[in-house]
Amino acid sequence: EAGVVQSPRYKIIEKKQPVAFWCNPISGHNTLYWYLQNLGQGPELLIRYENEEAVDDSQLPKDRFSAERLKGVDSTLKIQPAELGDSAVYLCASSLGTSGTDTQYFGPGTRLTVL
Amino acid sequence: GIQVEQSPPDLILQEGANSTLRCNFSDSVNNLQWFHQNPWGQLINLFYIPSGTKQNGRLSATTVATERYSLLYISSSQTTDSGVYFCAVSKAAGNKLTFGGGTRVLVKP
Repeated sequence: EAGVVQSPRYKIIEKKQPVAFWCNPISGHNTLYWYLQNLGQGPELLIRYENEEAVDDSQLPKDRFSAERLKGVDSTLKIQPAELGDSAVYLCASSLGTSGTDTQYFGPGTRLTVL
Repeated sequence: GIQVEQSPPDLILQEGANSTLRCNFSDSVNNLQWFHQNPWGQLINLFYIPSGTKQNGRLSATTVATERYSLLYISSSQTTDSGVYFCAVSKAAGNKLTFGGGTRVLVKP
């Protein structure tokens, strides 16, 4: 079974430029998560989807960040415009159910560097 | 929100040694997971263990939910065990995992 797929793996952009990250969850997984991981810290949740619905986006900086999960499968996370402080690893994860007690499986992440 | 503290923050082991990592959390939880993040950044789920004890090869974990802590045991450590070990918990339905700061493990040959 394929794991969570993310692309690109690395991205370097100038500040004020837009950037987008793509995630394909494990087949059949209903819940999808985007996390941000700063260097030397644990991941922090940005947004959680149950199928197509964003059910927790309280930590998403909505002035510059947006996300979508069309048809309840793939998801895209966008930053526009990017700032220097956005440099981090963006992780996507998925889990089978929506009960709150499921194992989460993580993708390899996208390392963003904003110059 | 719920607080998650891991100790020790750093651990250096000689290959073959045993070790115990600890995770304390500030409130009751319905989900607790241990992850290993390898040097390439991949997070691998080790255990889903909101209570009780589980073993997988050289790794085992115990969660005492009533006392709000979990322990991860590494036996006969190998260099491939190097990386960062994270404990993550969620308090209620919705599965928003809150991660601890991690324990950075270096196993020397």
